[in-house]
Amino acid sequence: EDQVTQSPEALRLQEGESSSLNCSYTVSGLRGLFWYRQDPGKGPEFLFTLYSAGEEKEKERLKATLTKKESFLHITAPKPEDSATYLCAIRLPGGYQKVTFGTGTKLQVIP
Amino acid sequence: DTGVSQNPRHKITKRGQNVTFRCDPISEHNRLYWYRQTLGQGPEFLTYFQNEAQLEKSRLLSDRFSAERPKGSFSTLEIQRTEQGDSAMYLCASSPPDRGYTFGSGTRLTVV
Repeated sequence: EDQVTQSPEALRLQEGESSSLNCSYTVSGLRGLFWYRQDPGKGPEFLFTLYSAGEEKEKERLKATLTKKESFLHITAPKPEDSATYLCAIRLPGGYQKVTFGTGTKLQVIP
Repeated sequence: DTGVSQNPRHKITKRGQNVTFRCDPISEHNRLYWYRQTLGQGPEFLTYFQNEAQLEKSRLLSDRFSAERPKGSFSTLEIQRTEQGDSAMYLCASSPPDRGYTFGSGTRLTVV
């Protein structure tokens, strides 16, 4: 079953139009939730790690938050250079080191 | 810190041929991962090394796939008897313990 679900699949925003991306997960005992940005033809670029409900991390126009069932990536006043696919990933409980990725949200910011 | 390096960037091969990819991780990272990504999908886990030990393998890693990390430095991923379904981007990543990954730019494999 899908353990990580991202929505929406695609999002088109006007420059300056703030919005949020969602990542929901079904496992308990999470050992970390990760956000990455991926540009076409490149490997994912690490953005944030969140470990516990209520935790928040910020970087420039991005802010990631975590609850017991989902995470949000808030984008404030986006610019065209924020256009990319944003991937969410979780590290499962039980000592595993791998992370499991969602399918991503493709963000397009129009000037 | 020169990042994670992967070679080659692109590989086109005929079905049935063997291919090998190389990954050079960040030198101080003892953990190395291989993932596979197809168009429109998130990366899928293939295998994980801690130093030279291969500690996790996915069911996706059939007997045609083998990975090594001699001496805990660079790693190679070999695919034998390639099939068209193997066409994908193969991503390598490294990390310190329990931290986010640093990914390489990937090797795009096309099997014709």
